[in-house]
Amino acid sequence: KAGVTQTPRYLIKTRGQQVTLSCSPISGHRSVSWYQQTPGQGLQFLFEYFSETQRNKGNFPGRFSGRQFSNSRSEMNVSTLELGDSALYLCASTLGGNYGYTFGSGTRLTVV
Amino acid sequence: EDKVVQSPLSLVVHEGDTVTLNCSYEVTNFRSLLWYKQEKKAPTFLFMLTSSGIEKKSGRLSSILDKKELFSILNITATQTGDSAVYLCAVHNSGGSNYKLTFGKGTLLTVNP
Repeated sequence: KAGVTQTPRYLIKTRGQQVTLSCSPISGHRSVSWYQQTPGQGLQFLFEYFSETQRNKGNFPGRFSGRQFSNSRSEMNVSTLELGDSALYLCASTLGGNYGYTFGSGTRLTVV
Repeated sequence: EDKVVQSPLSLVVHEGDTVTLNCSYEVTNFRSLLWYKQEKKAPTFLFMLTSSGIEKKSGRLSSILDKKELFSILNITATQTGDSAVYLCAVHNSGGSNYKLTFGKGTLLTVNP
């Protein structure tokens, strides 16, 4: 079965712009979460969605937002981009309960 | 604040060596501990541990959890160059408003031929 699909794979944006990243979970997975990975901070939790509801949010500024659609696909948006937003953004999906999380290949965002 | 600490941060070994990677944690509403291998982009799932003292094995890799002492280890025997990667430990919280993985910084393993 298809894995977690993230698009685009790479993005280069200018400071001040906004960006939207997309994640399609494994079929049947209703929980989707987002993580930011940087060399200094490692993997940090952004937010988690289940059945179109945000259940948890990490310690990121309000410029970071997300949503989930009825087909479980999720998007995250970053507005007013800063240089420090350059990172690998990873999406993960799970069936929930004691099932593991499967990660997508990520979107590499570079802000110049 | 939830915390996951991995050690060592990096490790260089020769092919054939055995390595032990450590992960300690302090989290609320512990549900499970997961190990991932990250080579380029997507972390790939290795193990999920929920019960103390039960070893999970997959080929040359094995892992065990101690819920009393709040740590886990990942062992890799007879290492190969293909084992070179960052190994990530994560703890899954759940309940209340906690539905997330808290990650350690990872251990960078380099296996030289």
